[in-house]
Amino acid sequence: NAGVMQNPRHLVRRRGQEARLRCSPMKGHSHVYWYRQLPEEGLKFMVYLQKENIIDESGMPKERFSAEFPKEGPSILRIQQVVRGDSAAYFCASSPSGGATNEKLFFGSGTQLSVL
Amino acid sequence: GQSLEQPSEVTAVEGAIVQINCTYQTSGFYGLSWYQQHDGGAPTFLSYNGLDGLEETGRFSSFLSRSDSYGYLLLQELQMKDSASYFCAVSRDDKIIFGKGTRLHILP
Repeated sequence: NAGVMQNPRHLVRRRGQEARLRCSPMKGHSHVYWYRQLPEEGLKFMVYLQKENIIDESGMPKERFSAEFPKEGPSILRIQQVVRGDSAAYFCASSPSGGATNEKLFFGSGTQLSVL
Repeated sequence: GQSLEQPSEVTAVEGAIVQINCTYQTSGFYGLSWYQQHDGGAPTFLSYNGLDGLEETGRFSSFLSRSDSYGYLLLQELQMKDSASYFCAVSRDDKIIFGKGTRLHILP
């Protein structure tokens, strides 16, 4: 039973390009969370999605960032016109249930985004 | 708003016991969980407390007091491999929020 799969593991972009990060949740999980982590810092909540729905995107910048979790296929976190400050590790986590009934998150290995 | 407070660093000796505290302020609280993250790795789940009291899983235990908005993670018989960052996280009705993490240093 495969775990949460994130790709790519490392992504290098130049300023102004687009970054597209993918996350395939564990089998049977319909809830996906995206977090951002800077070195020596905690996990900053970005967005919580269920299949075809954004439940909470309060942690995501209003501009340049978007996320989706389609009925078929992986969840995508898209960053348009990247800037150096977007450089960070982006972690995806999935769970079989969400919100109040969610006790445990399963994390992917993360995507390290480097903006040149 | 919401906030979680935990010490930034803790140092302990191999074989000893260490406690990492976490205090929180949030609305819609359902439970407190703990995650471990080694350098360069992904966070991994350690424990969850939905009710007051102590939960024990091997060498690790976690405690919650909802009335005090306080919890802790207790690590016993410390091993060098326990050197990592430990995060407390609150489960709300809409999302899961993490603290900034406690870096645990273990001395031989």
